[in-house]
Amino acid sequence: QKEVEQNSGPLSVPEGAIASLNCTYSDRGSQSFFWYRQYSGKSPELIMSIYSNGDKEDGRFTAQLNKASQYVSLLIRDSQPSDSATYLCAVTGYSSASKIIFGSGTRLSIRP
Amino acid sequence: EAGVAQSPRYKIIEKRQSVAFWCNPISGHATLYWYQQILGQGPKLLIQFQNNGVVDDSQLPKDRFSAERLKGVDSTLKIQPAKLEDSAVYLCASSRRGASSDTQYFGPGTRLTVL
Repeated sequence: QKEVEQNSGPLSVPEGAIASLNCTYSDRGSQSFFWYRQYSGKSPELIMSIYSNGDKEDGRFTAQLNKASQYVSLLIRDSQPSDSATYLCAVTGYSSASKIIFGSGTRLSIRP
Repeated sequence: EAGVAQSPRYKIIEKRQSVAFWCNPISGHATLYWYQQILGQGPKLLIQFQNNGVVDDSQLPKDRFSAERLKGVDSTLKIQPAKLEDSAVYLCASSRRGASSDTQYFGPGTRLTVL
């Protein structure tokens, strides 16, 4: 059973600080990695995707991938109250037949 | 560009009744997905269509769930008969090509409550 594991939280971070969200996955053949943000009562929306080892930055968000350790993380710099949401890590394999598997999400709370 | 449309937004039924959900993907998107998201969990893929063909339905409880995408555009997901454990949000998503690296765009979801 291919799995994606996340700490459910809640993770409480002061406004302006860096929030660090972590995810591990079990399938070594995984190729594509995604971070989705989901506000309460809303549907997931894509924040970042990463496909190769290393860091990928987009504004205040940085995704980090380490395939050897089967680990992907999301850093949010200068955290804002609007960042309070559940963050879902998702992983797929190489082919289009490889279904995406979501973790259960980490609930992030930014305190003023 | 219009997003993924779903209806209804909310549905309350009693167990053993049937229910159907409708989804219209983003125009031009070949791939359509139905997910089940139970409270506190991540979305679980039920079925993936590429145009009007099924790519993956390995997690669809076929004794009670069915889905179709007849003309390769919109899709319906049906549950018959519903069980209490089917209470969840049913999310529809679409992507341009269905490649594993493609971005999936989600609709607003249908919240189903089975009493």
